[in-house]
Formats: sequence, C-alpha cells, structure tokens
Amino acid sequence: AQKVTQAQTEISVVEKEDVTLDCVYETRDTTYYLFWYKQPPSGELVFLIRRNSFDEQNEISGRYSWNFQKSTSSFNFTITASQVVDSAVYFCALSEADFGNEKLTFGTGTRLTIIP
Amino acid sequence: DTEVTQTPKHLVMGMTNKKSLKCEQHMGHRAMYWYKQKAKKPPELMFVYSYEKLSINESVPSRFSPECPNSSLLNLHLHALQPEDSALYLCASSRLGQGNTEAFFGQGTRLTVV
Repeated sequence: AQKVTQAQTEISVVEKEDVTLDCVYETRDTTYYLFWYKQPPSGELVFLIRRNSFDEQNEISGRYSWNFQKSTSSFNFTITASQVVDSAVYFCALSEADFGNEKLTFGTGTRLTIIP
Repeated sequence: DTEVTQTPKHLVMGMTNKKSLKCEQHMGHRAMYWYKQKAKKPPELMFVYSYEKLSINESVPSRFSPECPNSSLLNLHLHALQPEDSALYLCASSRLGQGNTEAFFGQGTRLTVV
C-alpha cells in the first residue's frame, strides 16, 4: 500500500525567510508520480508540480524548488524568500502508475503561516 | 481555461432535505472526481467517473449519489445526510491516463448538515 508522510503539521516563518516542507513516501511500485498541491483558505487545491519516478532532476520555478531523492523516498519543497501569499496548507501526494489520478494518496498536509 | 466550477459555494441542509452539488469543467477532461475533506484533514476520494461512467466508488454510503450527465458536468445528489457529513466537497477533473497528468480542483462546496 502507498503512503505519504508530512511530519510537519504546522510551520510559521517570518516573511522573506526560506522554508522547506518535507514529504516522505512509501510505494512498492517502480513507476509512480509525486505531486504538490497548495490549498489556500479559499479551499481549492492548486496544482504546483508533478514528478515521475524516473526523473530525479530537481526543479525550480521562481521562488519554488523541489528536491526529489529516491534513495530516501523524499520529495521536499522549498520556498525561497517567503511571502504572506504563500500562507496555505500544502499537500504532497502520490499516485501509482496503474491507477493514475484515480488513486491519489495525499499526505496529511503542512499548514504554512508566513508572518509579516 | 483551466477552471473547475462548483456550485453552490456554501450549503446548509437539514437531515431530511434533498440537495445536489454541481461541478462543471470545459477542459475536455474525461475523468472527474468527488472528494470529501474534513477540517484539518487531507481530501478523501469518494467517486471517480471515466468517460462518464462510474469507475470507482470508495465504499461511500448510498445517501451520496453521484451522476455524470455529460463529459462536462458532475453532480452529487445528497439525501438524508448526517451531521458528520458536514465537510468541504471538492470536485476535480483530469485527462485520463496514468499518473502523468494532474488533477484540477474546484473551490469546493462547504456543506453543513443540521
């Protein structure tokens, strides 16, 4: 069975600080997909990134970066120079190739608060 | 247009009421989903429709009845709900295929059962 662990329940940082959100996953599949979603107070889940198990390259998108390490089954997310608008709940999720989006397994989420 | 629209945004209903949640997307996605999210919890999958046919029912009680009238619309009919069914109900859509596509979510309907 697949499992996603986000050990950090809540994080608060002062604006402009960097912050890293941790995600550790478990799966028996060799092909799988990892995702990060952001959920602001308005409720919708906003897609941030998808990474497949064969692509271990780190990715940077503006202030966001992701570090995927298969050796430690981790897919961590770093926000550089945080802003108040980054305050939200962030979910890491996993899907196995056999099921795709039909079987997204979410972590319990990390509530990030950026203090002005 | 990468938008999933859900109506209503808020709904208060009694335990004897019948109501429906609606979801619409115009991205040509052939997979649509209903999720339930309790406060401070991750979303939980309820139903999946693929090509307008129900492909997954995660053992959801029959008081929740999904319907997919066409490829753009997804409904969730509610009847005889319990207070513990109060939650945020999220609709999502995606292209079909393996996990190499992402799901797009609506803003959800915040349901309160009284």
